[in-house]
Amino acid sequence: GENVEQHPSTLSVQEGDSAVIKCTYSDSASNYFPWYKQELGKRPQLIIDIRSNVGEKKDQRIAVTLNKTAKHFSLHITETQPEDSAVYFCAAKSSGDKLTFGTGTRLAVRP
Amino acid sequence: KAGVTQTPRYLIKTRGQQVTLSCSPISGHRSVSWYQQTPGQGLQFLFEYFSETQRNKGNFPGRFSGRQFSNSRSEMNVSTLELGDSALYLCASGLGGGQETQYFGPGTRLLVL
Repeated sequence: GENVEQHPSTLSVQEGDSAVIKCTYSDSASNYFPWYKQELGKRPQLIIDIRSNVGEKKDQRIAVTLNKTAKHFSLHITETQPEDSAVYFCAAKSSGDKLTFGTGTRLAVRP
Repeated sequence: KAGVTQTPRYLIKTRGQQVTLSCSPISGHRSVSWYQQTPGQGLQFLFEYFSETQRNKGNFPGRFSGRQFSNSRSEMNVSTLELGDSALYLCASGLGGGQETQYFGPGTRLLVL
């Protein structure tokens, strides 16, 4: 089955700096890669997703890149703000299969 | 549209009891997935239902079971509760049928004493 590894497990950045979270997956059939943000005591919320026919996708300060050959995908947050502090989860899925999550990255943005 | 809802939000049970959790998906969504979230294990997949059929199953013991009704609402049941079952149980709904995006409910926090 699919295995998703996520790094780093914790990340601390200064407000205004960029943050990058990286994930690798094992199943070459995976074609859907979402990212979720979970604030303390709240549900995971989808912040961006990418499909395997696209190499990069942006939404304001958030971008995701996908390298299918290397089976890597990354989340980039620019101009970080204190409200970006949360746990971020990557995930991967192939058609008809379950969504497999990474172990999460706790991001702290220092004011 | 209303989001995914889960009931109850909090539960306290004792070892050996059983529990039933409910999930109402976003209107029009036919896929419901269940996850167990614990601090040490992250988000672990339990099972997925689509149009009343279990489509995928995770690596949990048979004490964990689920079902989906014709209105797409889903329930999961845990029998003979163990202390290690204490966790946040999340459900997520999606359109299914090739549309992969899933939206999470607020979760049910289960404490087993």
